[in-house]
Amino acid sequence: AQSVTQLGSHVSVSEGALVLLRCNYSSSVPPYLFWYVQYPNQGLQLLLKYTSAATLVKGINGFEAEFKKSETSFHLTKPSAHMSDAAEYFCAVSDQGNTPLVFGKGTRLSVIA
Amino acid sequence: GAVVSQHPSRVICKSGTSVKIECRSLDFQATTMFWYRQFPKKSLMLMATSNEGSKATYEQGVEKDKFLINHASLTLSTLTVTSAHPEDSSFYICSPKGSLSSGYTFGSGTRLTVV
Repeated sequence: AQSVTQLGSHVSVSEGALVLLRCNYSSSVPPYLFWYVQYPNQGLQLLLKYTSAATLVKGINGFEAEFKKSETSFHLTKPSAHMSDAAEYFCAVSDQGNTPLVFGKGTRLSVIA
Repeated sequence: GAVVSQHPSRVICKSGTSVKIECRSLDFQATTMFWYRQFPKKSLMLMATSNEGSKATYEQGVEKDKFLINHASLTLSTLTVTSAHPEDSSFYICSPKGSLSSGYTFGSGTRLTVV
């Protein structure tokens, strides 16, 4: 069965600093990987997805993630944090691309002015 | 991507009453809907999978008699929390079975508070 591990339940960065949110996956088959953002009391918004094409995936709001098979990782980055990036971020995996997503525990990103 | 509308966004109910949550697919036909539950400051846990015209499949530990799921049409799936208790208070989110192109969309969620 597939799973994801998000290292760090809370990450705090200064405005303008690099954002790095870590995600490692476990899957017996080539995975489909996703990053979502959730603002308080709202649903999930897709930031980006990896579907076995390019290993460097660019998403919305300046976020990107790199799929590294050797490290079983799919870390999310953004060069310069903005106050509006403060939210909860979830990494998720699907083994077939249309089965229920399995989510990590989430990482809360705080951005300090 | 697929657009899904979830209602209500917030509901407060008394213990012992039932609450229905609706999830409508607006621009596509959702043959399958996933229902998730999110505890405060926790991740999303899959509760059940509903298929149009058939019985839902529940995950281990989820009471099917408490969480009734109906998927009577290709555009509507409902989750009814029956005889609600304070421990049922949570954030419930629906998500139609996705595809790689749509990237799995989600409803806006329902915050249920049982008092």
